[in-house]
Amino acid sequence: NAGVMQNPRHLVRRRGQEARLRCSPVKGHSHVYWYRQLPEEGLKFMVYLQKENIIDESGMPKERFSAEFPKEGPSILRIQQVVRGDSAAYFCASSVGGTSYEQYFGPGTRLTVT
Amino acid sequence: QKEVEQNSGPLSVPEGAIASLNCTYSDRVSQSFFWYRQYSGKSPELIMSIYSNGDKEDGRFTAQLNKASQYVSLLIRDSQPSDSATYLCAVDSNDMRFGAGTRLTVKP
Repeated sequence: NAGVMQNPRHLVRRRGQEARLRCSPVKGHSHVYWYRQLPEEGLKFMVYLQKENIIDESGMPKERFSAEFPKEGPSILRIQQVVRGDSAAYFCASSVGGTSYEQYFGPGTRLTVT
Repeated sequence: QKEVEQNSGPLSVPEGAIASLNCTYSDRVSQSFFWYRQYSGKSPELIMSIYSNGDKEDGRFTAQLNKASQYVSLLIRDSQPSDSATYLCAVDSNDMRFGAGTRLTVKP
């Protein structure tokens, strides 16, 4: 019974490059959430998606960040033109329903921008 | 602004003691409450969810919810060194908000 899968687990990018983070939810879950965690800080909500729809992107920076959850395939969080401040752990979570349901987290992608 | 507040700790308890972790929230319409455990360098792991006022027990863990006081807590009985982690309170009010977490250390 596979849980939430994220890849890559570690990603190193130079300033100005693009980072693509992938998330496959628990089988049967159609709701996906992305969070960012800076070292020694709490989890910050970024975006909530259902298949082919962005439900809430209130936590997403207005520029350079985008997310999608296509009908087929994993959810993608894309960061264009990365800067050092983007270095963080990015966690994906999934749930069977909306935000009132339990969310299960993937192992995270640790992004380092050099 | 919807806020979820936790004491950052660190909270230190001896092995075998009860650890008490507290969380307050600002949005009165919140209906769903969750406790997660996060070990250093790992992802959050769901411990318990609670939706109704009162206590909910699961093994050594008890969650307590008081919506009138906007307060949710987690008690860990017979604390073990393996319980040493950061505990995150999460509150749903149309979006999920996490507290900054309380770092718990259980000393052998």
